[in-house]
Amino acid sequence: KAGVTQTPRYLIKTRGQQVTLSCSPISGHRSVSWYQQTPGQGLQFLFEYFSETQRNKGNFPGRFSGRQFSNSRSEMNVSTLELGDSALYLCASSIAGTQLNTDTQYFGPGTRLTVL
Amino acid sequence: QKEVEQNSGPLSVPEGAIASLNCTYSDRGSQSFFWYRQYSGKSPELIMSIYSNGDKEDGRFTAQLNKASQYVSLLIRDSQPSDSATYLCAVNRRYGGATNKLIFGTGTLLAVQP
Repeated sequence: KAGVTQTPRYLIKTRGQQVTLSCSPISGHRSVSWYQQTPGQGLQFLFEYFSETQRNKGNFPGRFSGRQFSNSRSEMNVSTLELGDSALYLCASSIAGTQLNTDTQYFGPGTRLTVL
Repeated sequence: QKEVEQNSGPLSVPEGAIASLNCTYSDRGSQSFFWYRQYSGKSPELIMSIYSNGDKEDGRFTAQLNKASQYVSLLIRDSQPSDSATYLCAVNRRYGGATNKLIFGTGTLLAVQP
């Protein structure tokens, strides 16, 4: 079974631009979560989508948004990029079935975003 | 107090030794606990999950959970140089019983010396 895929793998943007990152979950997985990883802050939760609905959101400004499509694929968008948005953006998927207490998230390879 | 705390290391152990990685968490409502391994420049890879008090073994890895002490640990037996990586402890908090949100520690850098 194929793992979580993310595109693009690397991205260079300039301040003020916007960017869209894509994530395809493992087949059969219905939940997609996004995380930001930086050397200073570590891994931080951005948001989670399930059945095309955002179920949970981390403490990030409104410039960070996302969506999920009917096939569970997800995109996240960052508008008006700032230098501090340079990070590894990770997508993780999980089955999100009835056994929620054992639901396990599997990470994709990430998108390395550099803001100049 | 951070929600999930780990010693950042580096933890240096000789090849063949047991590496012991520790993690504490603050939210008593946490229900599931995970250890991920992350090599430099790569994404986190799931090593172990544990949900009940006690030990869970998988090959050279043993996860231990003590909910009363709010403590999770990972033991790596017969450590190999290929185990050298950052080990991330993650705790899954549930909101309304239906959502996922992994809270990560800052990770412990493990260095296995040949």
